Amino acid sequence: GDSVTQTEGLVTVTEGLPVKLNCTYQTTYLTIAFFWYVQYLNEAPQVLLKSSTDNKRTEHQGFHATLHKSSSSFHLQKSSAQLSDSALYYCALSDSPGGNYKPTFGKGTSLVVHP
Amino acid sequence: DMKVTQMPRYLIKRMGENVLLECGQDMSHETMYWYRQDPGLGLQLIYISYDVDSNSEGDIPKGYRVSRKKREHFSLILDSAKTNQTSVYFCARGHPETLYFGSGTRLTVL
Repeated sequence: GDSVTQTEGLVTVTEGLPVKLNCTYQTTYLTIAFFWYVQYLNEAPQVLLKSSTDNKRTEHQGFHATLHKSSSSFHLQKSSAQLSDSALYYCALSDSPGGNYKPTFGKGTSLVVHP
Repeated sequence: DMKVTQMPRYLIKRMGENVLLECGQDMSHETMYWYRQDPGLGLQLIYISYDVDSNSEGDIPKGYRVSRKKREHFSLILDSAKTNQTSVYFCARGHPETLYFGSGTRLTVL
């Protein structure tokens, strides 16, 4: 089956400095899309970035990620972290075995941005 | 608007009681999902529903069952709840491969 491995546990960064959250994956199907979801405290997860195209940079809310199928990676980066970026981040992929979508999530990375 | 409605927001039950969590969305043809979220374990898939009475087990279906009798509604049922089912439960809709989550139900089983 599919699996997603991301930077586990807690990542802390000082406001204004760059941040990178790692994500690698294994998939046995024709994977339709790759995602980063963000979950703020006491809220539901929501999609932050989505990509289906190899080697294409995707950007949203100052974050960016590039899908690299050669290395099975989809790392999330931001050049200057903000206090409001503190949240739980999930890397995920969505497969379509037999035509029905089945998402696979990593275990999540908690990002804390401190002043 | 990818709205997903979950009820209730908070729920406290005693061990052995039955629990019904409800989820709704307004685009009837979409796939729906139930997840539970626990610290350090992330989002764990319980069940998927592709259509009315077309449900598929996820990664952790034991102790749960689901019902989808109308396309807009997807229910999660815990028959005789256990303390280890204390968790936050999220329903989601797939559009089609992007998930949109409800606000969650925090279930405490005493």
